[in-house]
Amino acid sequence: DTGVSQDPRHKITKRGQNVTFRCDPISEHNRLYWYRQTLGQGPEFLTYFQNEAQLEKSRLLSDRFSAERPKGSFSTLEIQRTEQGDSAMYLCASSPDTRTQSSYNSPLHFGNGTRLTVT
Amino acid sequence: QKEVEQNSGPLSVPEGAIASLNCTYSDRVSQSFFWYRQYSGKSPELIMSIYSNGDKEDGRFTAQLNKASQYVSLLIRDSQPSDSATYLCAVLNNRLAFGKGNQVVVIP
Repeated sequence: DTGVSQDPRHKITKRGQNVTFRCDPISEHNRLYWYRQTLGQGPEFLTYFQNEAQLEKSRLLSDRFSAERPKGSFSTLEIQRTEQGDSAMYLCASSPDTRTQSSYNSPLHFGNGTRLTVT
Repeated sequence: QKEVEQNSGPLSVPEGAIASLNCTYSDRVSQSFFWYRQYSGKSPELIMSIYSNGDKEDGRFTAQLNKASQYVSLLIRDSQPSDSATYLCAVLNNRLAFGKGNQVVVIP
């Protein structure tokens, strides 16, 4: 399977604990995105990387959230001191560089997501 | 004003009918527009993309774009029960911004 892979699929944690999620994008894609989705809402943008550079981070994103993509391949999203409001589906997506024509047919390929439940 | 707005509530259509979904966006310079389908508990999957004013047809799906009105729509012809899902409108400006989605229920 050469799609976007996310791990774990589900995570249950207690309030105050730290959690880390991993995303492996499609290998030839240099852009990687993190989104969060709650029930009844569309995906909410969190951050994105072009190769290893983090180019944009949502202004709504708490300082408890941090993301890395150290070698321009896989990425991790860490949430420190989790709160019940962090419970959501965390989606990772990848795409080719959107400046290239080849990206227009399918800009984002999503992984299956990590469902976080904070108790 | 939200970047992408989908204000319609759940849409119920009988099997074989046309489902019509609407979306407006706020950034006038946006150039790329997409419709994603999301089944319950699954991740979004791309079903249509459109970049120029007018209509674009792909099978039973037709996307319509009007940049002057900042309006995108999706028509699903001959609706099938398998079309029952949430449909997300998305607009690309460096990163993809999504609307909250419209739930479609096709009644057999």
